[in-house]
Amino acid sequence: DTEVTQTPKHLVMGMTNKKSLKCEQHMGHRAMYWYKQKAKKPPELMFVYSYEKLSINESVPSRFSPECPNSSLLNLHLHALQPEDSALYLCASSQVLDYEQFFGPGTRLTVL
Amino acid sequence: GENVEQHPSTLSVQEGDSAVIKCTYSDSASNYFPWYKQELGKRPQLIIDIRSNVGEKKDQRIAVTLNKTAKHFSLHITETQPEDSAVYFCAASRRKVTGGGNKLTFGTGTQLKVEL
Repeated sequence: DTEVTQTPKHLVMGMTNKKSLKCEQHMGHRAMYWYKQKAKKPPELMFVYSYEKLSINESVPSRFSPECPNSSLLNLHLHALQPEDSALYLCASSQVLDYEQFFGPGTRLTVL
Repeated sequence: GENVEQHPSTLSVQEGDSAVIKCTYSDSASNYFPWYKQELGKRPQLIIDIRSNVGEKKDQRIAVTLNKTAKHFSLHITETQPEDSAVYFCAASRRKVTGGGNKLTFGTGTQLKVEL
């Protein structure tokens, strides 16, 4: 399996809802990433996990809570989001000591 | 932190012409420079990358050049085809010394349109 998968593809939530985004890869990669991409903008790094431990947090608001329960899974828990958090959320993975990152198809999130 | 500038923001070429997209980076410690192609509604896909110990790399119609001294790198697409139409992002990265993983900083993107 050479793909990163993400579920759901689309998500609409209210500002008081709690939801989670899921990312999975079976390439044996031990580094996983969350990016946020607004329309017509580049992806912006949010979090990096390495060997299931949080390695980088780009000063992301606490309403976004990442979790890496095992080497194949990465979750992003969402709570009390704002409409400006509406974006495409991309997951990526890589070998820890390699540079190339493989992106998932993303989850398009709309916050009402 | 790293800052990557990318030009032009839009580029229209006729089919068969060449296209060139240029990026500059600020962190002299960056040592990996990938280029991603992103079609509308799809994931970014790596099309070519170059490391700081190499000045040029070519893969069929696509080539990338790197000038470490000037902190410039460029994407060259020859014999453009309509299916090359997409947004192209450059990026720069340096490996995180502790903890692992690497941080990609993206340029602002170039919308390439190849016209028939």
